[in-house]
Amino acid sequence: DSGVTQTPKHLITATGQRVTLRCSPRSGDLSVYWYQQSLDQGLQFLIQYYNGEERAKGNILERFSAQQFPDLHSELNLSSLELGDSALYFCASSGVPGRGVSTDTQYFGPGTRLTVL
Amino acid sequence: GQQLNQSPQSMFIQEGEDVSMNCTSSSIFNTWLWYKQEPGEGPVLLIALYKAGELTSNGRLTAQFGITRKDSFLNISASIPSDVGIYFCAGQLLLASNYQLIWGAGTKLIIKP
Repeated sequence: DSGVTQTPKHLITATGQRVTLRCSPRSGDLSVYWYQQSLDQGLQFLIQYYNGEERAKGNILERFSAQQFPDLHSELNLSSLELGDSALYFCASSGVPGRGVSTDTQYFGPGTRLTVL
Repeated sequence: GQQLNQSPQSMFIQEGEDVSMNCTSSSIFNTWLWYKQEPGEGPVLLIALYKAGELTSNGRLTAQFGITRKDSFLNISASIPSDVGIYFCAGQLLLASNYQLIWGAGTKLIIKP
């Protein structure tokens, strides 16, 4: 158990819909990262938040957005869903207080499997 | 952008064989990480390397941080069925005042029955 939790574990929805994925980082971690992993593909970095602020952006579509709340949990919002958005979405956390924004070690949650029909 | 070349893409081996995979880049990294992902699960950290030339073991796994800081390898000795999964390398570097991880595409390890 990495200490990172993600909900829901599975999500099935229809094209055009909007969903929200939730992540709670490990206790004390300030950074949260979101990744997308399509079937048999590698990890595609989407976005990073550090202590509530966006720190880095990867290949995140404009239809997708994220935020990190004061209690450090994060949500990834996916809208106008398309069939190609079906994938595993992982959240990871890192960051020991006092060590700045070094990503160092990222600990991954179990993922949310999104299926768009 | 920054890229990591991870090879091989997949490996089909017999139980008991040794396994070797590597990652190379044109960029210099200050940390190398190796993760393993099992089906339907999130990646789990296996080994972290922080210094050029560092050789670190974790049971039957051994990884090294290349002297040039542009590459790393992971070896698995005497493979067993539970070694099946996808192995990812990741290199850390400083970009725009923020440390970021650059990920390899993964090596899929399959053990032939």
